[in-house]
Amino acid sequence: AQKVTQAQTEISVVEKEDVTLDCVYETRDTTYYLFWYKQPPSGELVFLIRRNSFDEQNEISGRYSWNFQKSTSSFNFTITASQVVDSAVYFCALSEAKTSYDKVIFGPGTSLSVIP
Amino acid sequence: GAGVSQSPSNKVTEKGKDVELRCDPISGHTALYWYRQSLGQGLEFLIYFQGNSAPDKSGLPSDRFSAERTGGSVSTLTIQRTQQEDSAVYLCASSPQSGGTYNEQFFGPGTRLTVL
Repeated sequence: AQKVTQAQTEISVVEKEDVTLDCVYETRDTTYYLFWYKQPPSGELVFLIRRNSFDEQNEISGRYSWNFQKSTSSFNFTITASQVVDSAVYFCALSEAKTSYDKVIFGPGTSLSVIP
Repeated sequence: GAGVSQSPSNKVTEKGKDVELRCDPISGHTALYWYRQSLGQGLEFLIYFQGNSAPDKSGLPSDRFSAERTGGSVSTLTIQRTQQEDSAVYLCASSPQSGGTYNEQFFGPGTRLTVL
């Protein structure tokens, strides 16, 4: 069965610190997609990244980077030099390609607070 | 262009009453999803619509929940005989297409439902 675990419920960091949000997933499929979404205090989820299971190359986008490791079933998200605007709830999610549509299973989320 | 819109933004109702929540997806998006987010929790899939196909209702928690999508566009989620445990934020998302290739989901701001 599909499952996404985000063990960190809440994290607080001081501005400019680096922070890593952990995500561990479970799936029996060999083809699947992983995602990160950001939910700021306004409530609207914002898509950050999609990664398919055949692409383990790490990705960097500005201050954001993602580390995908199939060997440990993890897809961790690192924010470098955190800023107050990064304060939000971050969701990791999984979609199995075998489904006829894009049903996405979300993790419970990690609430990040960046303190000025 | 316009994003996904939802109305009302907030709804307070009394236990036992029926409520209707509305979602206007992005124009041209054929896939539409409803999720429920309880306080401090992740997103729980409720129902999925794709074009004119029969919806996937596998996530609906009880027969008090139903949803329609008229003309392949606007969707209404109806909760009958509301219970206090129905209190949550109900999120709608749409994506350009579905099936085979994952497409990013665009989320609306949500409707916060409070059942007294």
